[in-house]
Amino acid sequence: ELKVEQNPLFLSMQEGKNYTIYCNYSTTSDRLYWYRQDPGKSLESLFVLLSNGAVKQEGRLMASLDTKARLSTLHITAAVHDLSATYFCAVDASGAGSYQLTFGKGTKLSVIP
Amino acid sequence: NAGVTQTPKFRVLKTGQSMTLLCAQDMNHEYMYWYRQDPGMGLRLIHYSVGEGTTAKGEVPDGYNVSRLKKQNFLLGLESAAPSQTSVYFCASKEYYSRDRSNTEAFFGQGTRLTVV
Repeated sequence: ELKVEQNPLFLSMQEGKNYTIYCNYSTTSDRLYWYRQDPGKSLESLFVLLSNGAVKQEGRLMASLDTKARLSTLHITAAVHDLSATYFCAVDASGAGSYQLTFGKGTKLSVIP
Repeated sequence: NAGVTQTPKFRVLKTGQSMTLLCAQDMNHEYMYWYRQDPGMGLRLIHYSVGEGTTAKGEVPDGYNVSRLKKQNFLLGLESAAPSQTSVYFCASKEYYSRDRSNTEAFFGQGTRLTVV
């Protein structure tokens, strides 16, 4: 059974600070996704990471993937209040024969002025 | 394009009642998923389908049934609702897996908030 662990689950940070969210997973996968969810809303795709060493950046967010370590990170640079949301990583194990898309429990980020 | 549409958006059921949630996608995606979201639990996979006429169990399938008679639709049924099934339900769809494909993220519907009393 594929397990996906995110940490931290809760993150309160001041505006202007940097921080990293970690996503560890338990089985072989060659692709991983990051999503954002605002309260009461659906999930919005942020990044698609397709291979070992993949790095993608959008604004103050940067995501990376290390398939050998089974680890992805979401780095936040100089946080602003608009980044307050819950962030999920999701692991696609289709390449290993399992077609399930498994999510972590999410990291609730609060950016404080 | 509407993307992924869930019907209904809200519903209140009495214990023991049955209902069907409908998920429709217009992106010609092969894979479809049903998740439930509960506070502190993230999204947990209920059932999924990798093509028309196929379904498979996910992490928390008990108490639910699904059908995928048409490629664009994925139905989630509750035969006898229980208070433990109070949750927000999300449907998602994505392209089939291929090493050559890059745009394979899942697209989500707006969610169905279900309360069982």
